Amino acid sequence: AQSVAQPEDQVNVAEGNPLTVKCTYSVSGNPYLFWYVQYPNRGLQFLLKYITGDNLVKGSYGFEAEFNKSQTSFHLKKPSALVSDSALYFCAVRDGDTDRNYQLIWGAGTKLIIKP
Amino acid sequence: NAGVTQTPKFQVLKTGQSMTLQCAQDMNHNSMYWYRQDPGMGLRLIYYSASEGTTDKGEVPNGYNVSRLNKREFSLRLESAAPSQTSVYFCASKKAGSYEQYFGPGTRLTVT
Repeated sequence: AQSVAQPEDQVNVAEGNPLTVKCTYSVSGNPYLFWYVQYPNRGLQFLLKYITGDNLVKGSYGFEAEFNKSQTSFHLKKPSALVSDSALYFCAVRDGDTDRNYQLIWGAGTKLIIKP
Repeated sequence: NAGVTQTPKFQVLKTGQSMTLQCAQDMNHNSMYWYRQDPGMGLRLIYYSASEGTTDKGEVPNGYNVSRLNKREFSLRLESAAPSQTSVYFCASKKAGSYEQYFGPGTRLTVT
């Protein structure tokens, strides 16, 4: 069965420090991986994706994520956090080898708090 | 472009009442989705529509029905609301051949 785990409910980082939000996944085929961000009282916004190719993918707002196949992880990173990065972050996965290609499996979300 | 719009923004229902959540997108996307978001559980797919004229069940379809009225509109109906359906509901759409989903602002539903 497909699954996504975000092991931290909340991550606290000081402004200017690097940040990491963790995500691990389980799929039977090739993973298609995604990060979305949700600001308070808003819908989710796409940040970045990994489909194939370079393990380090870059996305919006200076975020990047590293795909690690051996560790089945797709951690979200940013070199220098901003207070405006404070939000709820969701990791999602899709099995790229299935015909049932419309269903994403979502993690529970990680609340990122950046302190000034 | 307005993107994905949802109405209403907030709704309070009594147990047993019915209502329809409306969703529309103006991006000419083929696929549309309905999710519910509950604290600590991420998003769960209720129903989706891969293209106009087709709908399919997601992870948690019980108690819901959907209609893909045309390419733009995808509605979600609760026939007999239950307190377990208290949640935030999001509609999303996706262009054919793309992976990115675009989300509406959500509907916060409370069933008492």
